[in-house]
Amino acid sequence: GQQVMQIPQYQHVQEGEDFTTYCNSSTTLSNIQWYKQRPGGHPVFLIQLVKSGEVKKQKRLTFQFGEAKKNSSLHITATQTTDVGTYFCALNSNYQLIWGAGTKLIIKP
Amino acid sequence: SQTIHQWPATLVQPVGSPLSLECTVEGTSNPNLYWYRQAAGRGLQLLFYSVGIGQISSEVPQNLSASRPQDRQFILSSKKLLLSDSGFYLCAWSLGGRSYEQYFGPGTRLTVT
Repeated sequence: GQQVMQIPQYQHVQEGEDFTTYCNSSTTLSNIQWYKQRPGGHPVFLIQLVKSGEVKKQKRLTFQFGEAKKNSSLHITATQTTDVGTYFCALNSNYQLIWGAGTKLIIKP
Repeated sequence: SQTIHQWPATLVQPVGSPLSLECTVEGTSNPNLYWYRQAAGRGLQLLFYSVGIGQISSEVPQNLSASRPQDRQFILSSKKLLLSDSGFYLCAWSLGGRSYEQYFGPGTRLTVT
C-alpha cells in the first residue's frame, strides 16, 4: 500500500529560526493533509492540499505540494514557542489517513 | 458546530481487567469514526474505523474491539487488558465520504499496570 515518509524526525531550532518538514512518497499522492499535535494534546487539522504545485499560507506557515504530487513540505518562518509540537503529514485514502511518522519541533532554550 | 467528546481523560487499569472507552460526536450526522492509539513519542496507529452504524473495520488484529451502537457513538473495548495496551487513545471523526479531514477528541491516557 501507499506510504508517506516524513523527515526529519526531530528538528531543534533557536526561537526565531525557520523550520521545515518534508513528506515524500514513491507514488503520486491524490492529496496531502497536515496536522499539528502540541505536547500532551491531540492532532489538529491544519490544511489539505490537492493540486499539483499548490502553495498555501497560514500566517507564518507555508504549505507546498510538489509539481509531481509526490512530495509536500511545511515551512514555518521565524519560529515561536507556540509552534512547539509534532507536525504530521497524512494521505487520505479510502476513508483512512495514512500518516507520516511526524517531525517534532523543539525550541532550544 | 461539531463537538467530539471522549472520556475518561486518564485511566489506570490492572492487567487482565476489562476496558471500555467511549466517544461521542455532536452536531453532525453519519460521520466516519476512528480509534487510534499513540505510544509515547510515536506516531498514530489506526485501530478501527466505522463508516456507519454496526460497520467496523479493524486495521490491527489485537486484544481490542470496537462497536458503534448509535450513529454518533463509538466504543473501544477489551475483555482483558495487556501491559502492551498502554498508550494514548484518540477518537476522531470526519464527514461521511472518502476525502475529508479528521477532527480528534482530547484522548484517553491509559496505563496498564
